Amino acid sequence: DAGITQSPRHKVTETGTPVTLRCHQTENHRYMYWYRQDPGHGLRLIHYSYGVKDTDKGEVSDGYSVSRSKTEDFLLTLESATSSQTSVYFCAISAGVVETQYFGPGTRLLVL
Amino acid sequence: AQKITQTQPGMFVQEKEAVTLDCTYDTSDQSYGLFWYKQPSSGEMIFLIYQGSYDEQNATEGRYSLNFQKARKSANLVISASQLGDSAMYFCAMREANRDDKIIFGKGTRLHILP
Repeated sequence: DAGITQSPRHKVTETGTPVTLRCHQTENHRYMYWYRQDPGHGLRLIHYSYGVKDTDKGEVSDGYSVSRSKTEDFLLTLESATSSQTSVYFCAISAGVVETQYFGPGTRLLVL
Repeated sequence: AQKITQTQPGMFVQEKEAVTLDCTYDTSDQSYGLFWYKQPSSGEMIFLIYQGSYDEQNATEGRYSLNFQKARKSANLVISASQLGDSAMYFCAMREANRDDKIIFGKGTRLHILP
């Protein structure tokens, strides 16, 4: 158990509304990641962070922003949600000797 | 071009048989790591096994082993004596050197174990 929680676990929202997903870790890991999972695409990296206030874009960053003001929290914001952002969102941390990624339980987001 | 290719979208295997899930990768780095993850129907992502590019022996973790063939850029997951609980989606993934620990995932193979 890598001590990762995500909130909310499920969310239904309407197109055009802002949405913020939270990832919280308890073990002071430096690297944190946000992925989305869609059928036929596996997991795709949205944004990642390598420290407080240090973030960078991943493969599918358009329409998303992130913030990390504390080591333990990594926030993913959809500024104006669209139906194409309906997905399952996973947060991950990097830990261990070989820097394995461990995942949170996921957030299922439906944009109507 | 895909960096991680899993050519088997779905597989059906009889319980207690061994299973091999295929994974090929593409990289020009000499230093890289290969991972397998399991995602059961409940949705969580579970780390199974890791192989480093410089590891001379194939990685093993209980019933899981990784058949690493570096020259062929192949990293197949072998599950011995399959169980009903092995039914899940399996993802192969790769981390290249100096990429901020970023991991690239394949599209997955759905494994069904038949009683």
